[in-house]
Amino acid sequence: GENVEQHPSTLSVQEGDSAVIKCTYSDSASNYFPWYKQELGKGPQLIIDIRSNVGEKKDQRIAVTLNKTAKHFSLHITETQPEDSAVYFCAAGYGGSQGNLIFGKGTKLSVKP
Amino acid sequence: DAGITQSPRHKVTETGTPVTLRCHQTENHRYMYWYRQDPGHGLRLIHYSYGVKDTDKGEVSDGYSVSRSKTEDFLLTLESATSSQTSVYFCAISGSQGTYGYTFGSGTRLTVV
Repeated sequence: GENVEQHPSTLSVQEGDSAVIKCTYSDSASNYFPWYKQELGKGPQLIIDIRSNVGEKKDQRIAVTLNKTAKHFSLHITETQPEDSAVYFCAAGYGGSQGNLIFGKGTKLSVKP
Repeated sequence: DAGITQSPRHKVTETGTPVTLRCHQTENHRYMYWYRQDPGHGLRLIHYSYGVKDTDKGEVSDGYSVSRSKTEDFLLTLESATSSQTSVYFCAISGSQGTYGYTFGSGTRLTVV
């Protein structure tokens, strides 16, 4: 089955700096890669996603890149702000009876003012 | 989160007692999921449903059962709660199994004493 590895587990940056979180997946059939942000005491919230027919996607200060050959994808946050502090999860999945999303173990991002 | 509610939000129960957590959606989504979240383990799938009365096991299903008698409700039952089941439980819904993002509820914090 699919396995998703996420690194680093914790990340601390200064406000205004960029942050990068990386994930690798094992199943070449996976074709959908969402990223979630979880604030303290809340459920994870989808912030951006990418499909396997696209190499990069941007939404304001966040972007996701996908390298299908290497089976890895990354989340990039530019000009970080204190409100970006949260736990971020990556996931991989595909349609079909075995295609439930598989989540990485999360990255705790701290943005210092 | 809009369209999905979990109840209760917090519960303390004694070892050996049965516990039922409820997830209710108003989105008419076909797929519903129960996850548990523990430090160092991320989000782990307990059970999921792909339709009324159609359910299947996830990676950590031992000690849990589920039922879905209506599209909008997905119940998670701990038949005889143990301390190892102390966790935060999240319900999620999706219109697709692995090719679209999930919407998560706000979670239930369960403590078994």
